[in-house]
Amino acid sequence: AQSVTQPDIHITVSEGASLELRCNYSYGATPYLFWYVQSPGQGLQLLLKYFSGDTLVQGIKGFEAEFKRSQSSFNLRKPSVHWSDAAEYFCAVGPPFGNEKLTFGTGTRLTIIP
Amino acid sequence: EADIYQTPRYLVIGTGKKITLECSQTMGHDKMYWYQQDPGMELHLIHYSYGVNSTEKGDLSSESTVSRIRTEHFPLTLESARPSHTSQYLCASGTGVREQYFGPGTRLTVT
Repeated sequence: AQSVTQPDIHITVSEGASLELRCNYSYGATPYLFWYVQSPGQGLQLLLKYFSGDTLVQGIKGFEAEFKRSQSSFNLRKPSVHWSDAAEYFCAVGPPFGNEKLTFGTGTRLTIIP
Repeated sequence: EADIYQTPRYLVIGTGKKITLECSQTMGHDKMYWYQQDPGMELHLIHYSYGVNSTEKGDLSSESTVSRIRTEHFPLTLESARPSHTSQYLCASGTGVREQYFGPGTRLTVT
């Protein structure tokens, strides 16, 4: 069965500092990989996704993520965070074939301090 | 950008009441999903549909039921609400695992 681990429950970063959110997955093959963001009281918005090809993917709002097969990781990064980036971030995986169900991590809450 | 709507956004209701959470989308997507989200926990798929008159239970057991009579509409019903049903419910639609758009969610509190 597929699973996703986000080891950091809560991260606090100063505005303007760089950010890296960790995501590790367990799956028999290379799954589809996603990062979603959820602002308070809102649904999830897709930040970026990886299906195949270039292991460094660019997303919206200046975010990027790097797929590392050897580490089963898909970490999210941003070089300089803004106060508006404060939100909950979810990593998710989905099978490239078959039942088409997403499996989510428990999320990382990002707090931005001035 | 996909438009997907959920009503109500917030609901506080007493134990034993019947409730229906509404979800509609205007993108013509065949696939729709219901997720349950508790604070600090991952989203769990509780129901999904691949088209009209098609509904399946998800990975997390739920006492709720769903129907899909129209492509754009995927309501979720609880026949008798209990405090254990208190949670956030997120609806999504899309073309499959590669693309899912989420609604804003319904935060349900059962007292």
